[in-house]
Amino acid sequence: SQQGEEDPQALSIQEGENATMNCSYKTSINNLQWYRQNSGRGLVHLILIRSNEREKHSGRLRVTLDTSKKSSSLLITASRAADTASYFCATDAQAGNNRKLIWGLGTSLAVNP
Amino acid sequence: DGGITQSPKYLFRKEGQNVTLSCEQNLNHDAMYWYRQDPGQGLRLIYYSQIVNDFQKGDIAEGYSVSREKKESFPLTVTSAQKNPTAFYLCASSTNKYQPQHFGDGTRLSIL
Repeated sequence: SQQGEEDPQALSIQEGENATMNCSYKTSINNLQWYRQNSGRGLVHLILIRSNEREKHSGRLRVTLDTSKKSSSLLITASRAADTASYFCATDAQAGNNRKLIWGLGTSLAVNP
Repeated sequence: DGGITQSPKYLFRKEGQNVTLSCEQNLNHDAMYWYRQDPGQGLRLIYYSQIVNDFQKGDIAEGYSVSREKKESFPLTVTSAQKNPTAFYLCASSTNKYQPQHFGDGTRLSIL
């Protein structure tokens, strides 16, 4: 499995429901970032959570980080059809003296009206 | 509005041809990146540049080349040595390599 591995790979929910996506990683990190990608478009940065933070909020988004389990979750509350997109986590990973941003494969979210 | 502009949106390459993808940013960012995205895969780093006149290879640099002569511009050339160039190419920039990245809307490259 890869660093920054999201699950589920795909998620389909009804409008108004909450959506939860998870990201697992293997090495120590400086921070973890979540991005959204609409079909055929570039990625948009959503939230950055540092390794010493446990939870962060931005509007309807809530991100948690558990460094002991090497995992993070992204919760979207009261989802809307416009939230339909792919969501990627990226870990700012430390490998010796090098820092590297490692991307996951993404979770494809479909919000049905 | 500040942002990153990639052009063209669609590009077709003939056998043996080099093609260049444009990436321009007016965010005054020092760092710029090129990624390749294939279906069902995450982003793979091709090249990155932390400052003008300097760039480093990423994970899949073979068959690609870049230049960084101006802060605003980071063009990517897909050479004929890249045997499987069909992919979605994304350019990004950030204040520095530790900050979140801003992305362009990509160039989809196909082979004729």
